[in-house]
Amino acid sequence: QSALTQPASVSGSPGQSITISCAGTSSDVGSYNLVSWYQQYPGKAPKLMIYEGSERPFGVSTRFSGSKSGNTASLTISGLQAEDEADYYCCSYAGSATYVFGTGTKVTVL
Amino acid sequence: EVQLVESGGGIVQPGGSLRLSCSASLFTFTNYAMHWVRQAPGKGLEYVSAISSDGGKTYYADSVKGRFTISRDNSKNTLYLQMRSLRPEDTAVYYCVRAPYDQILYSWFDPWGQGALVTVSS
Repeated sequence: QSALTQPASVSGSPGQSITISCAGTSSDVGSYNLVSWYQQYPGKAPKLMIYEGSERPFGVSTRFSGSKSGNTASLTISGLQAEDEADYYCCSYAGSATYVFGTGTKVTVL
Repeated sequence: EVQLVESGGGIVQPGGSLRLSCSASLFTFTNYAMHWVRQAPGKGLEYVSAISSDGGKTYYADSVKGRFTISRDNSKNTLYLQMRSLRPEDTAVYYCVRAPYDQILYSWFDPWGQGALVTVSS
């Protein structure tokens, strides 16, 4: 199972919106509404930000939203803030209890 | 707040063995499937293994199949990962993660433990 493809880096100014793409295949992202997104600060454990493609866990800011079109999922961060600077990973269910993570995206707030 | 605390990490020689433990608290451990996810230094996340709430179903990534064994002791609220025939490429931080329900299918990962570093080196 190959890793999902994410841009290595995305940047934006405070207040702007950015979108991180997560490209998969018809065997993973395209087949299931089970993409999740994780935020990770350096030296820390990942944190769930989005599940089932577009659902936000309790306590996650409404500035984070998820969507999917075909074999590509996306995470949008609106009203970018300094605290959003982190690494972001997507993950998709790929059938038969297998899961595939994305390559990861470093978000920089200019 | 749900807590997952890994232990058992360390330095081991290639070909050696190590057992990681994950102690769970502040939730009903027997109701949830559990997973292990690892992250090599400076690299991305890699899915490793899963076990259903009753231990009856397990899954292993191809990269660890036949070398790693996942298990759980529900009486002790503890998840394990027995690692054998370790290779340098197994060097990583290993995270214990909870599933949203009792099965290993159709899952996402929340919350995550703080991680345990395993270094395979001579």
